[in-house]
Amino acid sequence: GAVVSQHPSWVICKSGTSVKIECRSLDFQATTMFWYRQFPKQSLMLMATSNEGSKATYEQGVEKDKFLINHASLTLSTLTVTSAHPEDSSFYICSARRDSFTDTQYFGPGTRLTVL
Amino acid sequence: QKEVEQNSGPLSVPEGAIASLNCTYSDRGSQSFFWYRQYSGKSPELIMSIYSNGDKEDGRFTAQLNKASQYVSLLIRDSQPSDSATYLCAVTRGSNTGNQFYFGTGTSLTVIP
Repeated sequence: GAVVSQHPSWVICKSGTSVKIECRSLDFQATTMFWYRQFPKQSLMLMATSNEGSKATYEQGVEKDKFLINHASLTLSTLTVTSAHPEDSSFYICSARRDSFTDTQYFGPGTRLTVL
Repeated sequence: QKEVEQNSGPLSVPEGAIASLNCTYSDRGSQSFFWYRQYSGKSPELIMSIYSNGDKEDGRFTAQLNKASQYVSLLIRDSQPSDSATYLCAVTRGSNTGNQFYFGTGTSLTVIP
């Protein structure tokens, strides 16, 4: 199998606080992990691509200082939303790619963030 | 021009019918092709991948790829109400930073009991 988990599954926080979301590949080592954001009734938006041990590559328009990504091991990537504001409220989804020979991305269950 | 285009729908089919979902892509160099299903409020789940021209069948699902015409389709036979979801087409193509993954905006499918 190819199972990806995310924690927490949902979080509510106050404006100005920081929130960390974890993404883990449970039964495989992920050379690359991806972070997406999805607003209601909209399509997936790729935020950044992270490779283990190197800096993340952010998509245009995504603030790297606000969305901190750390991919410290082959099974764990974290996304930290710093100084969250209500407009950051969204569904954050990570995915993992098993290795460089296969393109398939396996998605985590997502984290629903609500900023009050 | 978008990398991947899908008709947003909604597409409605009666239970038991065949649902046909289509997707076109812009880059002839695209290498891998995927169909994901996303239920409302959930993350996408992989249905099928296809890499070469022709048909690929898996249960009630058949993916069809035509690289000359740059389209990929998904057929769902004997559609069930539980198939009601948004179906995302995705393609990859190489770049100097590795294969890039592109999603369509998805087609909403409703199977009417």
